[in-house]
Amino acid sequence: EAGVAQSPRYKIIEKRQSVAFWCNPISGHATLYWYQQILGQGPKLLIQFQNNGVVDDSQLPKDRFSAERLKGVDSTLKIQPAKLEDSAVYLCASSLVSGGRTDTQYFGPGTRLTVL
Amino acid sequence: DQQVKQNSPSLSVQEGRISILNCDYTNSMFDYFLWYKKYPAEGPTFLISISSIKDKNEDGRFTVFLNKSAKHLSLHIVPSQPGDSAVYFCAASVFGAGGTSYGKLTFGQGTILTVHP
Repeated sequence: EAGVAQSPRYKIIEKRQSVAFWCNPISGHATLYWYQQILGQGPKLLIQFQNNGVVDDSQLPKDRFSAERLKGVDSTLKIQPAKLEDSAVYLCASSLVSGGRTDTQYFGPGTRLTVL
Repeated sequence: DQQVKQNSPSLSVQEGRISILNCDYTNSMFDYFLWYKKYPAEGPTFLISISSIKDKNEDGRFTVFLNKSAKHLSLHIVPSQPGDSAVYFCAASVFGAGGTSYGKLTFGQGTILTVHP
């Protein structure tokens, strides 16, 4: 079974530029998560989708971050414009059912973003 | 507000000995706890979990203990192996009545475990 795929793996941009990350969850997984992991910290949930609807985006900086999950499969996370403090690893995860507490979240390898 | 804390940034143990990783939490609403392991350049992978109705869960060499009164959990690895060297994250979730907390994990900062041959 293929795991969660993410691209690109690495990205370096200048501040105020835009960037987009792509995630393809495990086939059949209804719930998709985007996390931000700053160096030395644990992952922090940015947004959670169930199918193509948003369940939780309370920690998403909506003035610069946006995410979509068209057709309930792939997802894209965008930052526009980027700030220095956005430098982090962006992790995508998916879970099988409806995001229930016992559903294991499977993580992709992440995209390491460096903002100069 | 750091609701889940792993106060030891790193831990070094000898192969064959026990590794004990600790985690403290402040939110008494948390009722499900997990440990994830992360190798460099990879995403975290699920290791073991425990529900708040239990105080111990075991899976092979890995055992998680939960002390609800102290809001503390620990992961024991016995015996430790060099392949266990990784970053270990503690995570917790709340079974929200409204459903919006479904699956939402709050992570600790991680502990780097190094197992020496």
